[in-house]
Amino acid sequence: AQSVAQPEDQVNVAEGNPLTVKCTYSVSGNPYLFWYVQYPNRGLQFLLKYITGDNLVKGSYGFEAEFNKSQTSFHLKKPSALVSDSALYFCAVRDDSGYSTLTFGKGTMLLVSP
Amino acid sequence: GAGVSQSPSNKVTEKGKDVELRCDPISGHTALYWYRQSLGQGLEFLIYFQGNSAPDKSGLPSDRFSAERTGGSVSTLTIQRTQQEDSAVYLCASRRGAGNTIYFGEGSWLTVV
Repeated sequence: AQSVAQPEDQVNVAEGNPLTVKCTYSVSGNPYLFWYVQYPNRGLQFLLKYITGDNLVKGSYGFEAEFNKSQTSFHLKKPSALVSDSALYFCAVRDDSGYSTLTFGKGTMLLVSP
Repeated sequence: GAGVSQSPSNKVTEKGKDVELRCDPISGHTALYWYRQSLGQGLEFLIYFQGNSAPDKSGLPSDRFSAERTGGSVSTLTIQRTQQEDSAVYLCASRRGAGNTIYFGEGSWLTVV
């Protein structure tokens, strides 16, 4: 069975400071990893994904994530947070078979203060 | 269409009534997922369709829930005899191939009163 852990329910950061939202995963086989963001009363928007290749993945809105196979982690990062980044962030994993569901973490609320 | 389209966007129904939620995936996407998100909760997997394979129904919470996908495109999620605990946002998503990004619709907000 595959699983995702997002250990922080909420992350608070001041605008302009770097942010990290943590994610660890468990999956059989090679992982496909995703980050999504959800703004209030909206669906999920894709931010970035790791399939293969470089461990540092760059995505939308200046976000990036680093895949660490030995630590089974895929932490989301941004060098300088914006107030508009405040939202709910979900990490997700599926295996590399052609027939696999996508398993989500419980989400981390990011609050960026002015 | 340009994205995953879901309808209705909002639905209020009386307890005990049946509801149908529709998902129109991105054209050419072979995989389609349904998830449920309850207030303040994460995403709960419901069902997954992949091409012509038998769907993975392992996430459906009870036999009141069913889904079908006609012609490999549009999907309908049906909830029979709705209960108040069915109140949630029902999210549909689709993707093209094995490694491709999964795109979500805006969701159908269901309220059972």
